[in-house]
Amino acid sequence: KQEVTQIPAALSVPEGENLVLNCSFTDSAIYNLQWFRQDPGKGLTSLLLIQSSQREQTSGRLNASLDKSSGRSTLYIAASQPGDSATYLCAVNPFSGGYNKLIFGAGTRLAVHP
Amino acid sequence: KAGVTQTPRYLIKTRGQQVTLSCSPISGHRSVSWYQQTPGQGLQFLFEYFSETQRNKGNFPGRFSGRQFSNSRSEMNVSTLELGDSALYLCASSLARGGGQGTGELFFGEGSRLTVL
Repeated sequence: KQEVTQIPAALSVPEGENLVLNCSFTDSAIYNLQWFRQDPGKGLTSLLLIQSSQREQTSGRLNASLDKSSGRSTLYIAASQPGDSATYLCAVNPFSGGYNKLIFGAGTRLAVHP
Repeated sequence: KAGVTQTPRYLIKTRGQQVTLSCSPISGHRSVSWYQQTPGQGLQFLFEYFSETQRNKGNFPGRFSGRQFSNSRSEMNVSTLELGDSALYLCASSLARGGGQGTGELFFGEGSRLTVL
């Protein structure tokens, strides 16, 4: 059974720091991995999608990597800003789950203070 | 380009009642999936539809059901509501058929927050 773990559960950093959020999954048989952001009481905003054949994806200050063999992904946020404060979720789309059935981690709650 | 639209955004029901939630996907997207988010269980998959066919269902009781219309809009229904059904219900749409075909990127709506009293 696919399980997704995110470490740390919470993180508080001063503005300007570079930071890394970690995501691990137990079964490497995945189609892709997606990172999301969720603001309190809101829906999910897609940040980055990494296909299983890719190693990394970049969007602005965000960079996500994928190492299927070790079951790990990292989300790197450069020069963090208070507006980055949110919960970050990673989700895998596994072979065994069927179509578009994402398995989510519990998320990392990030607070960036001025 | 309009995103995924969910209605209603908030609703309050009492135990035993039923509720219907609606989701309009991004134009051109034919896959719609539903998720339940609670503080205790996190995000859990409910079901997924593609071209009006349910292709996948999560581990929820039969009180949870859904359907998809020919215009790809989807509804989910929860009957005989229980206190534990209080949650944020999220709908996501995808352009791709899913799996190995296409990018499979999912886009989520703002959700419908259901409170059961």
